Amino acid sequence: DGGITQSPKYLFRKEGQNVTLSCEQNLNHDAMYWYRQDPGQGLRLIYYSQIVNDFQKGDIAEGYSVSREKKESFPLTVTSAQKNPTAFYLCASSIDLSEQYFGPGTRLTVT
Amino acid sequence: KNEVEQSPQNLTAQEGEFITINCSYSVGISALHWLQQHPGGGIVSLFMLSSGKKKHGRLIATINIQEKHSSLHITASHPRDSAVYICAVGGEEGAQKLVFGQGTRLTINP
Repeated sequence: DGGITQSPKYLFRKEGQNVTLSCEQNLNHDAMYWYRQDPGQGLRLIYYSQIVNDFQKGDIAEGYSVSREKKESFPLTVTSAQKNPTAFYLCASSIDLSEQYFGPGTRLTVT
Repeated sequence: KNEVEQSPQNLTAQEGEFITINCSYSVGISALHWLQQHPGGGIVSLFMLSSGKKKHGRLIATINIQEKHSSLHITASHPRDSAVYICAVGGEEGAQKLVFGQGTRLTINP
């Protein structure tokens, strides 16, 4: 079955540690996205990539980093520089902007 | 003011009622999307609209480009329709980014 997988579903980290969230897709989509969702707010774009080895900052990229070494994979690293990292993180992919397919999300808690 | 505004933010109704969720936007767009997010967090795309109206089962989405407004309707609502419904717009210049509304939390009671 084609789709997007994110792992783990729940992640707990201590403040000051970097953490990497996984996102894999087997839909053969060129574009991939990372969003952050906070209670009562709309999804906000962190980073996106339209093609392998290329990515652009979204609206809230500070404190995050990404890589796109393979078409299938777009991992997100939440660095210790991110001031408020506790959130729900969603990965998505698309052929173009016509329809985005979302992963199940990772809920990150930093204490 | 947010570029995409949804109303209401929360909606509770009885099973069988006709539901309307509204979305207004302030920017030029190439398309508008309606998404559904269930309590577990996963998001499913329901519709993509650039004009007119689309129907899928009990769901109907309409868009008025001149008024910059879209509505999502649910007929014969059911408790399984309980979810957060999210409106998102894609920019006119073909930018590879969507702008999201804050979502409408719908609860359908049996």
